[in-house]
Amino acid sequence: AQSVTQLGSHVSVSEGALVLLRCNYSSSVPPYLFWYVQYPNQGLQLLLKYTSAATLVKGINGFEAEFKKSETSFHLTKPSAHMSDAAEYFCAVSVSGANSKLTFGKGITLSVRP
Amino acid sequence: DARVTQTPRHKVTEMGQEVTMRCQPILGHNTVFWYRQTMMQGLELLAYFRNRAPLDDSGMPKDRFSAEMPDATLATLKIQPSEPRDSAVYFCASGPSPSGNTIYFGEGSWLTVV
Repeated sequence: AQSVTQLGSHVSVSEGALVLLRCNYSSSVPPYLFWYVQYPNQGLQLLLKYTSAATLVKGINGFEAEFKKSETSFHLTKPSAHMSDAAEYFCAVSVSGANSKLTFGKGITLSVRP
Repeated sequence: DARVTQTPRHKVTEMGQEVTMRCQPILGHNTVFWYRQTMMQGLELLAYFRNRAPLDDSGMPKDRFSAEMPDATLATLKIQPSEPRDSAVYFCASGPSPSGNTIYFGEGSWLTVV
């Protein structure tokens, strides 16, 4: 079965600083990888996804992630943090197959300091 | 703007009462998921359906929880009898098959059992 690991539960950065949120996956077959964001009191919404095309994926709000098979990683980055980026971020994995499901990591809370 | 609709948004109930949460998936989506989110456990997949048939409900406590899709426009999650440990946010999500496609979340049903 596939899984994702998000180390740490909280990341704090200054406004304008680089955002780096780490995600490592485990899968015996080629994975599909996703990053979702959850703002307070809301549901999750898709930031970006990797589905075996380009390894560098660009998403909404200036975020991007790079799929690195050799490192089994799919880290999320943004060059310059904005106050509005404060939220919880979830990495998720699925694989091809009729009964495939999306498995989420524990999530990371991003705080942005003025 | 197509979206997943969940009702009720908020529910406070007494222990032992039946709780029913409803979800209207996005029209045309044939895969529906129920997730539960708590501080301690994060996001847990309770059950999911494809073409209204249950594919996996291994994450759901069978003695008190049940999930159904009476038709393509309605999914239900019932808890009977409810217990304080069921207090959580319950999310419904829908997506098109095949796997690798984005799933879209509703805004959640916030359940408090006292």
